[in-house]
Amino acid sequence: AQSVTQLDSHVSVSEGTPVLLRCNYSSSYSPSLFWYVQHPNKGLQLLLKYTSAATLVKGINGFEAEFKKSETSFHLTKPSAHMSDAAEYFCVVSDGSSASKIIFGSGTRLSIRP
Amino acid sequence: DSGVTQTPKHLITATGQRVTLRCSPRSGDLSVYWYQQSLDQGLQFLIQYYNGEERAKGNILERFSAQQFPDLHSELNLSSLELGDSALYFCASSSGANTEAFFGQGTRLTVV
Repeated sequence: AQSVTQLDSHVSVSEGTPVLLRCNYSSSYSPSLFWYVQHPNKGLQLLLKYTSAATLVKGINGFEAEFKKSETSFHLTKPSAHMSDAAEYFCVVSDGSSASKIIFGSGTRLSIRP
Repeated sequence: DSGVTQTPKHLITATGQRVTLRCSPRSGDLSVYWYQQSLDQGLQFLIQYYNGEERAKGNILERFSAQQFPDLHSELNLSSLELGDSALYFCASSSGANTEAFFGQGTRLTVV
């Protein structure tokens, strides 16, 4: 069985400061991990993905995430927050089974203070 | 543009009615997923189809059903609608195992 836990439902940072959104996962298979972003009243957009290549993954808009197998974590970071980063972020795990089910975390709402 | 098309974008209907939501996956993608997103429940996985066959089932009510057709488009049928069914319904598609899913813009359903 697989699952994903986003440890914070809401994160608030000041513009220009670092962002850290935390995600822990469990999977019976070698998982693929993703981060998606959803801006208000918009669909979900893929930020980045990990599929067993490099453990440090760079995504769009300056975001990156590091896969740490020993900690079963896939935290999302950005060195300097921008007002346009305010959105809902979802950590996602997909196993390699034939069903290839995609499991979403409950989401983290990121707010940016001016 | 993700390449996944959902129609209609908005739908307003009365309680007790039935609606059909349509999804066209990205060209070449065999997997289609349906999700419901509401304010109180967050993003809930409903059902997945792969090349016409049901692959996984999530929190889908018995009043809801879905299918994937030979041309790979999918439809989600919602019947005996209740006020609580008001939500954003997303369709996503992927090409297979361990690949990312691409999402449509969603259908916003309002039941009055």
